Amino acid sequence: GESVGLHLPTLSVQEGDNSIINCAYSNSASDYFIWYKQESGKGPQFIIDIRSNMDKRQGQRVTVLLNKTVKHLSLQIAATQPGDSAVYFCAENPKDSSYKLIFGSGTRLLVRP
Amino acid sequence: EAQVTQNPRYLITVTGKKLTVTCSQNMNHEYMSWYRQDPGLGLRQIYYSMNVEVTDKGDVPEGYKVSRKEKRNFPLILESPSPNQTSLYFCASSFTDQPQHFGDGTRLSIL
Repeated sequence: GESVGLHLPTLSVQEGDNSIINCAYSNSASDYFIWYKQESGKGPQFIIDIRSNMDKRQGQRVTVLLNKTVKHLSLQIAATQPGDSAVYFCAENPKDSSYKLIFGSGTRLLVRP
Repeated sequence: EAQVTQNPRYLITVTGKKLTVTCSQNMNHEYMSWYRQDPGLGLRQIYYSMNVEVTDKGDVPEGYKVSRKEKRNFPLILESPSPNQTSLYFCASSFTDQPQHFGDGTRLSIL
């Protein structure tokens, strides 16, 4: 069946270092991918998205990479800050599914001061 | 301020007592959706709505109902709640084919 998963459930990084959060997806027909950040007590917050006709997209301190060959998605956070500590979810939108999002189980990012 | 508002934020109730969780968005989004979030399972879609009077089941619709009489509101109804519906619920909205905006969640405990 369709699934979105994450390789690492918890990632601990030193403040100022770069963080890389990985995600595998199984539906090769998915054409839209989103990364969300969820802080304690809050709903998921949009970070960055990418469509399947792109390999890379950059935002402010964040970069998303898409490798369609191996169905892999990653989120890179540059100069990680304490405020980046949260749970990060990747989500995929299968092409024929009317804006449905399939979420992974999440990765917790801990930033050490 | 653009937002998705859910009420209540917290609710403890008993098995079988009908309850409604409201969701309202002020962004004129066509698409709205309900998710539940459980430890280790991520977010799973319950129901979604493409526009007024258009709703459809998500992955885990059993035990839930929704309605979309107005564009801005998308209430989630539990006619006869059971303990396995204890969860954290999120409402989301978006324009079509755009990232969904989420509310801050409703934590339901069904005793």
